[in-house]
Amino acid sequence: AQSVTQLGSHVSVSEGALVLLRCNYSSSVPPYLFWYVQYPNQGLQLLLKYTSAATLVKGINGFEAEFKKSETSFHLTKPSAHMSDAAEYFCAVSVRTDKLIFGTGTRLQVFP
Amino acid sequence: EADIYQTPRYLVIGTGKKITLECSQTMGHDKMYWYQQDPGMELHLIHYSYGVNSTEKGDLSSESTVSRIRTEHFPLTLESARPSHTSQYLCASSERTNTEAFFGQGTRLTVV
Repeated sequence: AQSVTQLGSHVSVSEGALVLLRCNYSSSVPPYLFWYVQYPNQGLQLLLKYTSAATLVKGINGFEAEFKKSETSFHLTKPSAHMSDAAEYFCAVSVRTDKLIFGTGTRLQVFP
Repeated sequence: EADIYQTPRYLVIGTGKKITLECSQTMGHDKMYWYQQDPGMELHLIHYSYGVNSTEKGDLSSESTVSRIRTEHFPLTLESARPSHTSQYLCASSERTNTEAFFGQGTRLTVV
């Protein structure tokens, strides 16, 4: 069965610093991978998705993620953090099913 | 912009009451989902539907029930609310297999 593991439940960065949120997946077949963001008291919003086309995926708000099959990873990055990036981030996987399986989430804090 | 709506946004209710959480989408999506999200952030799939008259239980056992009489509507019902049902409930929909899900803003339920 497919699954995702998000390393680090909390990540803190300074404003302007690199953001790196880690996600590793487990799947015996090529997966579809997603990153979502959740602001307080809100639903989830799609940041970006990997659907077996380009391995480097660009999303909204300056985020991007790279699919690395050899490392079974799909880490999310942003070159320069903004205060508005503070939120919860979820990695999710879908493999030939209609269900998204989510990781446990990473809370990103951005300090001035 | 996604058009999926949940009502109410917040609900405080006494133990033993029957409640229905509403979810509607205007995108014509066949697939709809209910997730339960506890304070620790992790999302658990509790119900999903492939279309009208289709409902399936998710990965997390839940005492709630759902119905899908119309494509656009996927309500969740608790016949007798208990404090253990206190949580955030997120509704989502997707167009087809392996595509992203669009989320509503959630209903935060507190049972006292």
